[in-house]
Amino acid sequence: KAGVTQTPRYLIKTRGQQVTLSCSPISGHRSVSWYQQTPGQGLQFLFEYFSETQRNKGNFPGRFSGRQFSNSRSEMNVSTLELGDSALYLCASAKVRGSGANVLTFGAGSRLTVL
Amino acid sequence: TQLLEQSPQFLSIQEGENLTVYCNSSSVFSSLQWYRQEPGEGPVLLVTVVTGGEVKKLKRLTFQFGDARKDSSLHITAAQPGDTGLYLCAGGRSGGSNYKLTFGKGTLLTVNP
Repeated sequence: KAGVTQTPRYLIKTRGQQVTLSCSPISGHRSVSWYQQTPGQGLQFLFEYFSETQRNKGNFPGRFSGRQFSNSRSEMNVSTLELGDSALYLCASAKVRGSGANVLTFGAGSRLTVL
Repeated sequence: TQLLEQSPQFLSIQEGENLTVYCNSSSVFSSLQWYRQEPGEGPVLLVTVVTGGEVKKLKRLTFQFGDARKDSSLHITAAQPGDTGLYLCAGGRSGGSNYKLTFGKGTLLTVNP
């Protein structure tokens, strides 16, 4: 079956611009999480969506936002880009949101470079 | 504050050697996962451990969850170049969404032929 698809894979923006990244989860997966990965900070949790509702949010400024559509596809947006937003943005989907350990399937990521 | 500390940060070894990487925390986790990430790809789950003292083996990889569920180790026997990658541990907590995993910064392993 198809994996998690993220688009675009690479993009370059300049400071002050905004960007929208897209994530298509595995069919049947209703949970989508977003992470930012940088060499200095590692993987940091941005937010998680389940059935179109944001269930958890990490410690990022309000410039980072997201949404989930009825088909479970998700988008994240970063407004007023800063140099420090340059990173690999990873999306992960999971089948259910339960109380036990869940299996995340990651996409290949969208590498954002801010000049 | 980094809740999960991984060591070493970098490791370069020759093919055939054994190695152990560590994941330590002062916090208790209900589950701990190990992922491997190759260049240009997202992390791929290797194993999930949920019971204190649990040991799981995956071919040449042995994973252990500490008795107090605060730490974990990954041991690779007879490493191969295909084992090269970034190894990430991630702790999950019950009571909330387990999708909010806390990741360590990773151990970058290079296995030279």
